[in-house]
Amino acid sequence: AQSVTQPDIHITVSEGASLELRCNYSYGATPYLFWYVQSPGQGLQLLLKYFSGDTLVQGIKGFEAEFKRSQSSFNLRKPSVHWSDAAEYVCAVTNFGNEKLTFGTGTRLTIIP
Amino acid sequence: GAVVSQHPSRVICKSGTSVKIECRSLDFQATTMFWYRQFPKKSLMLMATSNEGSKATYEQGVEKDKFLINHASLTLSTLTVTSAHPEDSSFYICSARASGYDTQYFGPGTRLTVL
Repeated sequence: AQSVTQPDIHITVSEGASLELRCNYSYGATPYLFWYVQSPGQGLQLLLKYFSGDTLVQGIKGFEAEFKRSQSSFNLRKPSVHWSDAAEYVCAVTNFGNEKLTFGTGTRLTIIP
Repeated sequence: GAVVSQHPSRVICKSGTSVKIECRSLDFQATTMFWYRQFPKKSLMLMATSNEGSKATYEQGVEKDKFLINHASLTLSTLTVTSAHPEDSSFYICSARASGYDTQYFGPGTRLTVL
């Protein structure tokens, strides 16, 4: 069965510092990978996705993620965080022809001045 | 593009009443819509998948007679919580996907409180 692990429940970063959020997946087939961001009381907004091709993908709001098949990882990065980036970040995986997404439990990001 | 709306954003109802939540894809045709439930500090739990014009497919453990799903058009799906009880209080989120695409776009969610 497929699974997604986000090992960090909560991360605190200073404004202007760099950020990396970890996501590991367990999947038999070629994965389609997603990062979503969820603000309190809100739905999920798609940040970026990887289906195939270049393993470094760029998303909205200055985020990027790198797919590393050998490590079964799809970590999210941002070179310099802003206070408005404080939110819950959720990694998800599916594959071609599969309707369902499997979600990680999320990482809550706190930004300090 | 790819905007999904939900209505209402918040609803408070008395125990025993029914509540309808609407999910609309505003700028694309959604052949498939998904309904999720989210508990505090937990990941999204898929309740059901609905394809336009077909009966919804419910996940194991989800009561189909309690959570009625209708996907009558390519832009609208509804979730009706029938005879709601306090344990049904939760955050309900829908998502929509266009045919041939693998990306789900999520609505902003509906906070249901049953008194």
